[in-house]
Amino acid sequence: DSGVTQTPKHLITATGQRVTLRCSPRSGDLSVYWYQQSLDQGLQFLIQYYNGEERAKGNILERFSAQQFPDLHSELNLSSLELGDSALYFCASSRGQYSNQPQHFGDGTRLSIL
Amino acid sequence: LAKTTQPISMDSYEGQEVNITCSHNNIATNDYITWYQQFPSQGPRFIIQGYKTKVTNEVASLFIPADRKSSTLSLPRVSLSDTAVYYCLVGDIASGTYKYIFGTGTRLKVLA
Repeated sequence: DSGVTQTPKHLITATGQRVTLRCSPRSGDLSVYWYQQSLDQGLQFLIQYYNGEERAKGNILERFSAQQFPDLHSELNLSSLELGDSALYFCASSRGQYSNQPQHFGDGTRLSIL
Repeated sequence: LAKTTQPISMDSYEGQEVNITCSHNNIATNDYITWYQQFPSQGPRFIIQGYKTKVTNEVASLFIPADRKSSTLSLPRVSLSDTAVYYCLVGDIASGTYKYIFGTGTRLKVLA
């Protein structure tokens, strides 16, 4: 158990809809990261927050947004969903904001778009 | 587009040493190299991390040459339970902005 909690584990919805994925980091971790894993694209970095502030940004679509709240949990919002958004979405957390402290991953939210 | 490449797959027998290499030509100057193991339907699990030369922990070793453009994960005496996909993770600056890049992943199959 990594200590990172993601909810829900599974989500099924339709094209055009909006969903929110939630992540609770390990106790004491200040950074939260979001990744998307699909068969054709592998593991893709979306965004990192550190203590509530955006720290690094990857290939995150404009339809997607994220934030980190004062209690350090994070939410990833996906809107105007398309079939291609079907994927596993992982959250990770780390103590600091730099790569010298490893990221620890949750078990993901599996999003299926019908 | 920056690519961090690994061999697609490897087979090994129980008890053998396995070495998996990751090529990361655009690694950020001060960035650490981190390796993960992933089983189906689970999140990546941290194995080892390093900045340069050699790092060893209780499960693996990590070799990083002086130019840091590649790294090699070494798993001593693998067992059937080591069958998984292995990824490297680095910070990349090829696009002009810092972002994390996972390697393409190596599917390791350990045979009895």
